[in-house]
Amino acid sequence: DTGVSQDPRHKITKRGQNVTFRCDPISEHNRLYWYRQTLGQGPEFLTYFQNEAQLEKSRLLSDRFSAERPKGSFSTLEIQRTEQGDSAMYLCASSGDGEQFFGPGTRLTVL
Amino acid sequence: DQQVKQNSPSLSVQEGRISILNCDYTNSMFDYFLWYKKYPAEGPTFLISISSIKDKNEDGRFTVFLNKSAKHLSLHIVPSQPGDSAVYFCAAKVPGNTGKLIFGQGTTLQVKP
Repeated sequence: DTGVSQDPRHKITKRGQNVTFRCDPISEHNRLYWYRQTLGQGPEFLTYFQNEAQLEKSRLLSDRFSAERPKGSFSTLEIQRTEQGDSAMYLCASSGDGEQFFGPGTRLTVL
Repeated sequence: DQQVKQNSPSLSVQEGRISILNCDYTNSMFDYFLWYKKYPAEGPTFLISISSIKDKNEDGRFTVFLNKSAKHLSLHIVPSQPGDSAVYFCAAKVPGNTGKLIFGQGTTLQVKP
């Protein structure tokens, strides 16, 4: 097991397009988190899954954002009708009962 | 509102000296704090944590101090090494079962040889 992986690492898109990111957590971890990090800021919580259930969503997660974790394994984060303000690093983390382990992130640039 | 604050955006120290990174929080309900280190093009990596029932936790060159009355914690790195150069994030775990973290803005540490 090589840790949390995210795909793609970089995504450049035009405003108005839809994008989807994937996160593969550490296999035995039942908790999965999505965070967003903008320049000069720390990661900000977006949403949390325990197994396949999405148990909490931040108010940062507008209705253009949707996240899934089918079968409690990998997770996807989709952004519809992207806006320039969506440009950020999107981080995924997973945990069991202990600390969260982060993936390398997907850097989104919306032109 | 920023519940976890790191007021120093950057810090530069000489190799071998002590690095002290500071963090303040506003919510007295926070009871577990963590420090993460982040290198460019990588995700944050867990470094050290402390529960509010303690005032100090040490792991090798890294020590975290917690002052609950001041709502302040600090990370000490002794001795500092060039490989410690990175962005350091302080985080507080939100009470409850989610494990959600609230992060500070980060401090960029540069350790000069």
